[in-house]
Amino acid sequence: EPEVTQTPSHQVTQMGQEVILRCVPISNHLYFYWYRQILGQKVEFLVSFYNNEISEKSEIFDDQFSVERPDGSNFTLKIRSTKLEDSAMYFCASSDRTGRYGYTFGSGTRLTVV
Amino acid sequence: SQQGEEDPQALSIQEGENATMNCSYKTSINNLQWYRQNSGRGLVHLILIRSNEREKHSGRLRVTLDTSKKSSSLLITASRAADTASYFCATGSIQGAQKLVFGQGTRLTINP
Repeated sequence: EPEVTQTPSHQVTQMGQEVILRCVPISNHLYFYWYRQILGQKVEFLVSFYNNEISEKSEIFDDQFSVERPDGSNFTLKIRSTKLEDSAMYFCASSDRTGRYGYTFGSGTRLTVV
Repeated sequence: SQQGEEDPQALSIQEGENATMNCSYKTSINNLQWYRQNSGRGLVHLILIRSNEREKHSGRLRVTLDTSKKSSSLLITASRAADTASYFCATGSIQGAQKLVFGQGTRLTINP
C-alpha cells in the first residue's frame, strides 16, 4: 500500500537554528499538508498546498514557516529560527483530488528544540 | 466544546467487548473522518463519512453521523488488544484541499 514517507524520524536542534523537515507524498496525490501535534495535545493544521502554492494556512504558520515542493516528489517544511515551543511531532499528509478516501499521513518527525 | 471533541477522553474495556467513542462538532461539515494513532506513531485513516450519509461500516468499525445533532460515533466491535490506541475524529468543511480539524481524542485501552 502506498505510504507517505517522512525524514528524519527525530531531529534535535538548538533554539534559533533552521530546520527542514522532509516528506515524500504519495505519487498520484495532488494535495499536501503539514500538521503538528505538541505532546499530549490535539493535532493542529499548519498548511495545505496545491498546484505549487499554499491554499490555506493557520495562524500557527507565521513568517518563520515555509513550504516548498522543490521537485516532483519531495515536500518540505522549513522553520527558519526555531523556538522551544516549536517542539512537537510534525506530520505530513497527502490526499487525492477528491479527498474521499481521507488523508494518508506519514509517521511523523519528532522535533525537539533545546 | 470545540470543533471535533471526543468523549470519553479515556476508555478501558475487556477484550471482546464493544467500544463506543463519540465526537461532537460545531460548524457545518462536508465530511467527518476517524483516525487511529498508536503511541508515538503516525495517524492511520480508518473511515470517512460524508455529510449526506448516516452510517458506514468497515470491517469491525461502524460509524454513524447525525448532522442535526452535529455528532458522530465510532463503534469497534469484538475489540482486540491490538485496538489499543488513541482515536481521533476530524472534520472537513469542503471538498478537495481542506484542512481537517481534529478533536482531543479518546485513549482506548483493551485489557486482555
